[in-house]
Amino acid sequence: ETGVTQTPRHLVMGMTNKKSLKCEQHLGHNAMYWYKQSAKKPLELMFVYSLEERVENNSVPSRFSPECPNSSHLFLHLHTLQPEDSALYLCASSQDRIPFETQYFGPGTRLLVL
Amino acid sequence: AQSVTQLDSQVPVFEEAPVELRCNYSSSVSVYLFWYVQYPNQGLQLLLKYLSGSTLVKGINGFEAEFNKSQTSFHLRKPSVHISDTAEYFCAVRSDNYGQNFVFGPGTRLSVLP
Repeated sequence: ETGVTQTPRHLVMGMTNKKSLKCEQHLGHNAMYWYKQSAKKPLELMFVYSLEERVENNSVPSRFSPECPNSSHLFLHLHTLQPEDSALYLCASSQDRIPFETQYFGPGTRLLVL
Repeated sequence: AQSVTQLDSQVPVFEEAPVELRCNYSSSVSVYLFWYVQYPNQGLQLLLKYLSGSTLVKGINGFEAEFNKSQTSFHLRKPSVHISDTAEYFCAVRSDNYGQNFVFGPGTRLSVLP
């Protein structure tokens, strides 16, 4: 048990739908992250939150909208996605944004956009 | 800029045989090095990390890795693998600059055969 949970585990949506991915960490960490894992590609960092403030947005399209209402919860709101957005979306957390700290990952949400 | 290379995309090996998964990195500053494992349908789990000190690092599940600064490598080894070690293995680097994020390699798929 990593202490980071993600729901739903699987999601199928059409290009006109709106959905949200949820991440919750039970570790008392201050930093949270969204990653995208596509087949045959390295993990891509999408967003970083530190103490509920977005500190990084790695050129992610506006159809992905993150939200961090408190230090334990992180959402990724999805709208008008494209088929190429189909991937595994991983949430992670760490105590702080210090380089030598371990990031703890959730199990991911497998997203399929039709 | 940092980058991570994992030369082998797939490594098949028989049960109880030794294995080495290769990782090379490039960075202009001091780095911290990590190996993560991803079992099927799960998120990433930390195997081990190198921060400083002894260049031989021991991790969970019998894995170890050796940091070689001159060769900019951080290869992962296990003397005798089990079927349960079948998974995707990711090497990652973070720099010594505060706030720098993980750069992940593309991953190596380890398949342990009976």
